[in-house]
Amino acid sequence: NAGVTQTPKFRVLKTGQSMTLLCAQDMNHEYMYWYRQDPGMGLRLIHYSVGEGTTAKGEVPDGYNVSRLKKQNFLLGLESAAPSQTSVYFCASKAYREVTEAFFGQGTRLTVV
Amino acid sequence: DAKTTQPPSMDCAEGRAANLPCNHSTISGNEYVYWYRQIHSQGPQYIIHGLKNNETNEMASLIITEDRKSSTLILPHATLRDTAVYYCIVREGGTSYGKLTFGQGTILTVHP
Repeated sequence: NAGVTQTPKFRVLKTGQSMTLLCAQDMNHEYMYWYRQDPGMGLRLIHYSVGEGTTAKGEVPDGYNVSRLKKQNFLLGLESAAPSQTSVYFCASKAYREVTEAFFGQGTRLTVV
Repeated sequence: DAKTTQPPSMDCAEGRAANLPCNHSTISGNEYVYWYRQIHSQGPQYIIHGLKNNETNEMASLIITEDRKSSTLILPHATLRDTAVYYCIVREGGTSYGKLTFGQGTILTVHP
């Protein structure tokens, strides 16, 4: 049982380039989340999804788009990367809102130069 | 969601109990206390949660005061692998989308 898997683990982008981060979970969870973590800032919610085909904005959605075409996958896209998007990105999932335990992936370290 | 206050850092000797405090004086009646930890360079890991009763699982114990304004996470026999940032989070159990608000947490260092 892999849990929550993030791809890639590391990436360096040039300003203006685009990329997609993939999050896959094999636990049949309804809820999925994308967070970013910056030094001294804690984890901040970017976007989330409460089920297949749904997405919603979190605290810091600007510059990112997401899609949840399949229940097990949650994609985070950067259309035109900026240095301010240099961060560690974490994906998480949970079964449904009443269940308290969220499972996190191992993170994607993104550097935009 | 209620705000939490944790000490920025704590030390603990290996094999001893680690007691991590958390203040949540503005907690409301339907808000739960959760603890997660983040070991360096890894994703956060769920530890335990509770509403008003003390809770225990294979990882830790959670002691919540009677007025629910503070709580303590107890790692009964800390090991070097327990060195991590520990986050105390308070939120309503039925929040519409299950958002977790992470503060700065407590950096726990377990030393030999």
